[in-house]
Amino acid sequence: QQPVQSPQAVILREGEDAVINCSSSKALYSVHWYRQKHGEAPVFLMILLKGGEQKGHEKISASFNEKKQQSSLYLTASQLSYSGTYFCGTENRDSGGSNYKLTFGKGTLLTVNP
Amino acid sequence: NAGVTQTPKFQVLKTGQSMTLQCAQDMNHEYMSWYRQDPGMGLRLIHYSVGAGITDQGEVPNGYNVSRSTTEDFPLRLLSAAPSQTSVYFCASSYGTATDTQYFGPGTRLTVL
Repeated sequence: QQPVQSPQAVILREGEDAVINCSSSKALYSVHWYRQKHGEAPVFLMILLKGGEQKGHEKISASFNEKKQQSSLYLTASQLSYSGTYFCGTENRDSGGSNYKLTFGKGTLLTVNP
Repeated sequence: NAGVTQTPKFQVLKTGQSMTLQCAQDMNHEYMSWYRQDPGMGLRLIHYSVGAGITDQGEVPNGYNVSRSTTEDFPLRLLSAAPSQTSVYFCASSYGTATDTQYFGPGTRLTVL
């Protein structure tokens, strides 16, 4: 089952902050975040493994709340280059091992204007 | 390293035709997968492989076949194309499992008339 992303779209002015949320109805083992520019392939941003860790990548960071089965992506002081569609991908593991499937949400379209 | 390559970039088929989308990677990755991307639907997993000789179904496998005879190649076959298979297809690979970083190919834009 696809994770649910919110919001579906967000428009920012350069320098503003944004938060993108990703929720799963199943227990999460890992959460992946990717960004896709129009007409291009998705590009990896970061992976978070269960354990409630937070990761950062320049001005983009993410958190993972295992109990709430959700992750959030934080974009700080947005730049024009941040524009694109952001996807979260979730890996759910049943007891006994991985099902090796990464399930992506429908994406969040982020537009950063000058 | 070329990374993940896909051919062709664009393809137009008639309903009922068959074809193979090619995917290759030169990173010695064990895990490879195929996704389709439709407007507003995100990326949906079609088939995946955890190593040569091993394949399994994803969320939307109907109408597609795969095989993995080598570590490098993971072709996707459309058996009898239908308009519902019009989509952008992405191949991805990662070192070990779905947990590792996925490297995506440039995509194949397929139109079925």
